[in-house]
Amino acid sequence: GAVVSQHPSRVICKSGTSVKIECRSLDFQATTMFWYRQFPKKSLMLMATSNEGSKATYEQGVEKDKFLINHASLTLSTLTVTSAHPEDSSFYICSARILDGAYGYTFGSGTRLTVV
Amino acid sequence: SQKIEQNSEALNIQEGKTATLTCNYTNYSPAYLQWYRQDPGRGPVFLLLIRENEKEKRKERLKVTFDTTLKQSLFHITASQPADSATYLCALVSNTGKLIFGQGTTLQVKP
Repeated sequence: GAVVSQHPSRVICKSGTSVKIECRSLDFQATTMFWYRQFPKKSLMLMATSNEGSKATYEQGVEKDKFLINHASLTLSTLTVTSAHPEDSSFYICSARILDGAYGYTFGSGTRLTVV
Repeated sequence: SQKIEQNSEALNIQEGKTATLTCNYTNYSPAYLQWYRQDPGRGPVFLLLIRENEKEKRKERLKVTFDTTLKQSLFHITASQPADSATYLCALVSNTGKLIFGQGTTLQVKP
């Protein structure tokens, strides 16, 4: 089945540094990928929609300069958390849509970001 | 405003019983609704999709119903097992193609 590989699975960084999270579709091409953020015991909050070859679409309240998204190829989308602060600590998950939703959406395994 | 809600944050049941989870939505007219399982520290895993013209869908011990009049979906796990313990999320696709999730129900199946 369609697999999305996300890494790193865990990262700890210092305040003020930037962190890049990668999301790759392994056996299919994903023109669109989605980035979510999840707080403990909370549901997934959609941050942005990543479109191959064009600018990402951000949800209301999400800082596009803080969370840089690049979707340079049909198999790779990246999320860069810039100038990270402790409040950016969270669980970040990417996903891609399969066959117009007929088989649901497939998700990466998530990245636990801790900013110290 | 548009909402998708799962009415129970947590559900505890005994092994062998049927677990029933509820998902309600307002101000959406989804063509289909989806259910996912999420284990701690992992991304969601797709379980079932049910279309608006389908009343019921089954997969092994899982059953999903979809009532577009009530704007509600029910998710059942029959003969539940401790391994079924996880958080279950309902989700629907907005008219702009975004997958929107309910807040999830954490199921605990006790032996």
